[in-house]
Amino acid sequence: NAGVTQTPKFRVLKTGQSMTLLCAQDMNHEYMYWYRQDPGMGLRLIHYSVGEGTTAKGEVPDGYNVSRLKKQNFLLGLESAAPSQTSVYFCASSLQGEKQPQHFGDGTRLSIL
Amino acid sequence: GQNIDQPTEMTATEGAIVQINCTYQTSGFNGLFWYQQHAGEAPTFLSYNVLDGLEEKGRFSSFLSRSKGYSYLLLKELQMKDSASYLCAVRPFTGGGNKLTFGTGTQLKVEL
Repeated sequence: NAGVTQTPKFRVLKTGQSMTLLCAQDMNHEYMYWYRQDPGMGLRLIHYSVGEGTTAKGEVPDGYNVSRLKKQNFLLGLESAAPSQTSVYFCASSLQGEKQPQHFGDGTRLSIL
Repeated sequence: GQNIDQPTEMTATEGAIVQINCTYQTSGFNGLFWYQQHAGEAPTFLSYNVLDGLEEKGRFSSFLSRSKGYSYLLLKELQMKDSASYLCAVRPFTGGGNKLTFGTGTQLKVEL
């Protein structure tokens, strides 16, 4: 049981390049989330999904797009990377139900030059 | 808006007890979570409170007072491996994907 798996673990991009971060979970969770974590800012929600084929904006969605074509996968896209998007990105998933905690992947460290 | 406050850093001695406080002012309240995050790693779930009172889980306990907008995480018999960041997170709303709002975390350093 791998839990939540993120790929890649590290990436360096140039300004203006595009890329997709992949999150996969094998726990049959309905809900999935993408966060960014910056020093002194805590975890901030970018986008989330409550089920296959559905996505919604979080606190800081600008510059990012997401897709959830399959229940187990949640993709985060950067169409035109900017230095301000340098961050550590975490994916999480959870079951429905108010007591259910979110389970996090190991993160993707992304640098935009 | 949502506002969650935690101390930035704390230092404690191995074998001692430490209390990490969290105060919140949110538009609603539907539960509070504590997570542990070691440097360079993923946050991991520690505890959940939705009703007032103390929840105990081994060396870790978490307390909630909804009327005061206050929670604390109590760590007993501190070990060196407890050096980590501790994140307080509030679920302001029911439904809506169970979204959480996180505090900035408290960096705990355990010393000999």
